[in-house]
Amino acid sequence: GESVGLHLPTLSVQEGDNSIINCAYSNSASDYFIWYKQESGKGPQFIIDIRSNMDKRQGQRVTVLLNKTVKHLSLQIAATQPGDSAVYFCAEAYSGGGADGLTFGKGTHLIIQP
Amino acid sequence: DGGITQSPKYLFRKEGQNVTLSCEQNLNHDAMYWYRQDPGQGLRLIYYSQIVNDFQKGDIAEGYSVSREKKESFPLTVTSAQKNPTAFYLCASSRAASWNTEAFFGQGTRLTVV
Repeated sequence: GESVGLHLPTLSVQEGDNSIINCAYSNSASDYFIWYKQESGKGPQFIIDIRSNMDKRQGQRVTVLLNKTVKHLSLQIAATQPGDSAVYFCAEAYSGGGADGLTFGKGTHLIIQP
Repeated sequence: DGGITQSPKYLFRKEGQNVTLSCEQNLNHDAMYWYRQDPGQGLRLIYYSQIVNDFQKGDIAEGYSVSREKKESFPLTVTSAQKNPTAFYLCASSRAASWNTEAFFGQGTRLTVV
């Protein structure tokens, strides 16, 4: 099957800087994408989602960008804080497909340097 | 508070034993899912259920069993047939059976074989 992958396994940024986490997807039929944040020993927490009819969606300090032409998804975190340290997963789904769940990437570990 | 609850948080199993992981949600969600997460890996789907009294195998169902007798409950049994059960297990639920809505995760159960 097709898979979702992440470009970098670890990203280290200075506190206060902006972070950009990238994700490539290969299923051109995917039309729904989610970013999750997972802190150590905890379950994934929903951050933001985007549907394929949008290019950009903003939340609180986070922005997701979707480039369908190159099948690329990114998560931008503004003014990173120590609490942003976590593993970030992107996931994709095809809403017209089966109910067997999302396809997850392996995750990017975001490390915030003081 | 509404949410999805997994118990126990930590579980130890002797070789040859079956163990059952609990997952309860009070979100009135129709769909529930079980995922397995290994260190440094993404989430892999074990079983999912779209409706009460119905469930389907995911990508790695061998050695596991589930039941869905009540809408709010989706317990996972790790049987002795599962040769490498040590992992972090995550339960999730979503309002709709198809993946175009936000999914909520529990806090996970860490299972260790001793």
